[in-house]
Amino acid sequence: NAGVTQTPKFRILKIGQSMTLQCTQDMNHNYMYWYRQDPGMGLKLIYYSVGAGITDKGEVPNGYNVSRSTTEDFPLRLELAAPSQTSVYFCATGQGTSYEQYFGPGTRLTVT
Amino acid sequence: AQTVTQSQPEMSVQEAETVTLSCTYDTSESNYYLFWYKQPPSRQMILVIRQEAYKQQNATENRFSVNFQKAAKSFSLKISDSQLGDTAMYFCAFRRETSGSRLTFGEGTQLTVNP
Repeated sequence: NAGVTQTPKFRILKIGQSMTLQCTQDMNHNYMYWYRQDPGMGLKLIYYSVGAGITDKGEVPNGYNVSRSTTEDFPLRLELAAPSQTSVYFCATGQGTSYEQYFGPGTRLTVT
Repeated sequence: AQTVTQSQPEMSVQEAETVTLSCTYDTSESNYYLFWYKQPPSRQMILVIRQEAYKQQNATENRFSVNFQKAAKSFSLKISDSQLGDTAMYFCAFRRETSGSRLTFGEGTQLTVNP
C-alpha cells in the first residue's frame, strides 16, 4: 500500500516550458488536492477534486490545469512556466467521512 | 473565508523542556476541525494532532497536547519533554466540517530543539 505517490521528486524548468506533475493514490479516496508551498510559507490550495470527472479551483489556480479521469490519478499541468511557480508541490487525498488528509512526499520545482 | 495566523516564525527549546506554539484563526463556522502538522527537513507533512471544535476536551497524543479556546479562536500546541527529532516546521491548519473540505494553513513556526 503505497499511499500517495508523486513524480518527479525534483524538476528544473526553463521559463515558458510546460510539464505535468503526477499524483497517484491507492487508497480509493474520493477527494484529491494540489497545494503549493512557497519558501517559508504555509501550503495554499491550487485545485481540488471531489471525484473522477469533477475538479474545482482553489486559492491560487492561475497558471495551472488539472484533470481527474480516474479515482487514482490527479495530474497537475503547468503551462508556460514562470519563476513565480518555483515552489514545492504537494498532492493530498481524503475521504468524505474522514477529517484527515494524507500527503504525498512533494515535488520541488524550480523555474529559471 | 477562514484565516489562520501563527505569530511565532521561529522558536527554540532545550531538549527535555516544554514549549508552546501559538495559533489563532478566524471563522464564522460553529463546527470545524483544527490540526497541527509537522514538516521535518524531509518535507513530508505529518499529522501531529487534531481537535474537533464540538469537543470541549483538549486533544492529547503522547507528548503533544493542545489548548483549544473556542471563544478566543485560539489553538496552541504544547510539546512536553522535547526531543531532537521534534525539530521541524509546525503548521496549524483549519478545516470546515463539510466532507472533503480543504485545509487552510498558517505560515508555520520553525521549532529547533537544542541538545
